[in-house]
Amino acid sequence: DSGVTQTPKHLITATGQRVTLRCSPRSGDLSVYWYQQSLDQGLQFLIHYYNGEERAKGNILERFSAQQFPDLHSELNLSSLELGDSALYFCASSVDSRAPTEAFFGQGTRLTVV
Amino acid sequence: LAKTTQPVSMDSYEGQEVNITCSHNNIATNDYITWYQQFPSQGPRFIIQGYKTKVTNEVASLFIPADRKSSTLSLPRVSLSDTAVYYCLVGFKAAGNKLTFGGGTRVLVKP
Repeated sequence: DSGVTQTPKHLITATGQRVTLRCSPRSGDLSVYWYQQSLDQGLQFLIHYYNGEERAKGNILERFSAQQFPDLHSELNLSSLELGDSALYFCASSVDSRAPTEAFFGQGTRLTVV
Repeated sequence: LAKTTQPVSMDSYEGQEVNITCSHNNIATNDYITWYQQFPSQGPRFIIQGYKTKVTNEVASLFIPADRKSSTLSLPRVSLSDTAVYYCLVGFKAAGNKLTFGGGTRVLVKP
């Protein structure tokens, strides 16, 4: 168990809908990272937050947004969902802001868009 | 272009050493290289990190030549449980610290 909690574990939704994925980092970790893993694109970095502030942005679509709250948990919002958004979404956390660093990954949320 | 490239797959036998090379041509002086291991249906797990010469921990070594355009993860004396996908990750500071994974190397350890 990495100490990073992601909910829900599975999510099935229809095209055009909006979903929110939640991540609770390890106790004491200030950084949260979001990644998307799909068969054709591999592991893609989406966004990095440190102590509530956005630090780096990767291949995150405009339909996607994220935030990190004062209690350090983070949410990834995916809207106007398309079939191609079906993927495994990972959250990871680390102690400091230096990226990359030793980060601990959650078990992921498997999103299926039908 | 911030890109990392690694072989798609490699096979090995128990007790052998496995070396996986990752290419990262546009790496900057202080960009770090990190390696992760991933088993099916699990999140990646940190193995090792470095930015120059050689780093060793209890499970692996990381070799980075002087030009830093590639790096090699070395797994000594692999066992069946080392069968997994291995990813290199580079944070390209020149690209706004965009974290870029390689495509992953599927390592199969045979008895």
